[in-house]
Amino acid sequence: KAGVTQTPRYLIKTRGQQVTLSCSPISGHRSVSWYQQTPGQGLQFLFEYFSETQRNKGNFPGRFSGRQFSNSRSEMNVSTLELGDSALYLCASSTTSGSYNEQFFGPGTRLTVL
Amino acid sequence: QKEVEQNSGPLSVPEGAIASLNCTYSDRGSQSFFWYRQYSGKSPELIMSIYSNGDKEDGRFTAQLNKASQYVSLLIRDSQPSDSATYLCAVKASYGKLTFGQGTILTVHP
Repeated sequence: KAGVTQTPRYLIKTRGQQVTLSCSPISGHRSVSWYQQTPGQGLQFLFEYFSETQRNKGNFPGRFSGRQFSNSRSEMNVSTLELGDSALYLCASSTTSGSYNEQFFGPGTRLTVL
Repeated sequence: QKEVEQNSGPLSVPEGAIASLNCTYSDRGSQSFFWYRQYSGKSPELIMSIYSNGDKEDGRFTAQLNKASQYVSLLIRDSQPSDSATYLCAVKASYGKLTFGQGTILTVHP
């Protein structure tokens, strides 16, 4: 079974631009969660989508948004990029949204904001 | 107080020894607990999940959970140089959200 895929793997943007990242979950998984990883803050939860609905959201500004499509693929968007948005963005998929479900991570998208 | 705290590292053990990684969490409503391994430049890889008090063994790995003490640990027996990585403790208390510790860097030296 194929794992979680994320595109693109690397991105370089300048301040003020916007970016869209894509995530395809493991086949049959309906929940997708997004995380930001930085050396200073570690891994932080952005949001989770299940059946095209945002079920949970972390403490990030409204510039960070996401959506999920009917095939469970998900995208996240960051508008008006800031230098501090440079990070590894990871998505993780699980079968459902409940507590006892394991999350499996994709390879991540490395975003650099100049 | 951080929501999930891991024992400060880095941790260095000789090949063949037992590596012990510890994690405490603050939310008593937490229901599921996970250990991930992350190699440098790679994404986290799930190695263990545990949901009830006690021990859970999988090969050389044993996870231990004590909800009363809000404590979860990971033991790696017969440590190998290939086990050298950052180990992340993650706790789930609500839908889809994993809260991670800061990670413990483990080095296994030959």
